[in-house]
Amino acid sequence: EADIYQTPRYLVIGTGKKITLECSQTMGHDKMYWYQQDPGMELHLIHYSYGVNSTEKGDLSSESTVSRIRTEHFPLTLESARPSHTSQYLCATSLAGDYNEQFFGPGTRLTVL
Amino acid sequence: AQTVTQSQPEMSVQEAETVTLSCTYDTSENNYYLFWYKQPPSRQMILVIRQEAYKQQNATENRFSVNFQKAAKSFSLKISDSQLGDTAMYLCAFGGYGGSQGNLIFGKGTKLSVKP
Repeated sequence: EADIYQTPRYLVIGTGKKITLECSQTMGHDKMYWYQQDPGMELHLIHYSYGVNSTEKGDLSSESTVSRIRTEHFPLTLESARPSHTSQYLCATSLAGDYNEQFFGPGTRLTVL
Repeated sequence: AQTVTQSQPEMSVQEAETVTLSCTYDTSENNYYLFWYKQPPSRQMILVIRQEAYKQQNATENRFSVNFQKAAKSFSLKISDSQLGDTAMYLCAFGGYGGSQGNLIFGKGTKLSVKP
């Protein structure tokens, strides 16, 4: 069944640690996105990708980095986590082309102590 | 640049009643798409309904319908016969062709509580 997977679902980690949030999809979509969302608050686009070897920064400046080596995977990395990175991170996918419906993963809730 | 405004941060409705969530947007484009997404507490965000601007007929999906007023740039969501499972954050999104690199632009959301 076509789906979007995010791991871990919950992560509590200390300041200064390097973390990678995983996003994988079996949707067959070229375009992928990372959003940051504080609980009950608006979505902020932080990264997106048109396809393999394509990565772009979103509207919200972020200290995280992403890579797209395989179509199915779009991991997000924080080299040195800080309490200000505490948030929910949502991965999404869509067909190539403009303004197609986005499909969302279940999210990773990150807490940095 | 396009903007999406949801002026109701929170709303509540009694079970079985009808509620309307508002969304306005700003654009100079003629052809575009509008979406309503539902984000239940601690659950995955899903698409509720989609409207294409060149279609005059309002979209309907079971108990969910929209009132699309193109001239007024308004795209409200009506939920009929509200159910407890409708409790969620609802986000309005705009998809146009100018200045957003093919990405959707989301409003800040309306948190809807359905009370028994």
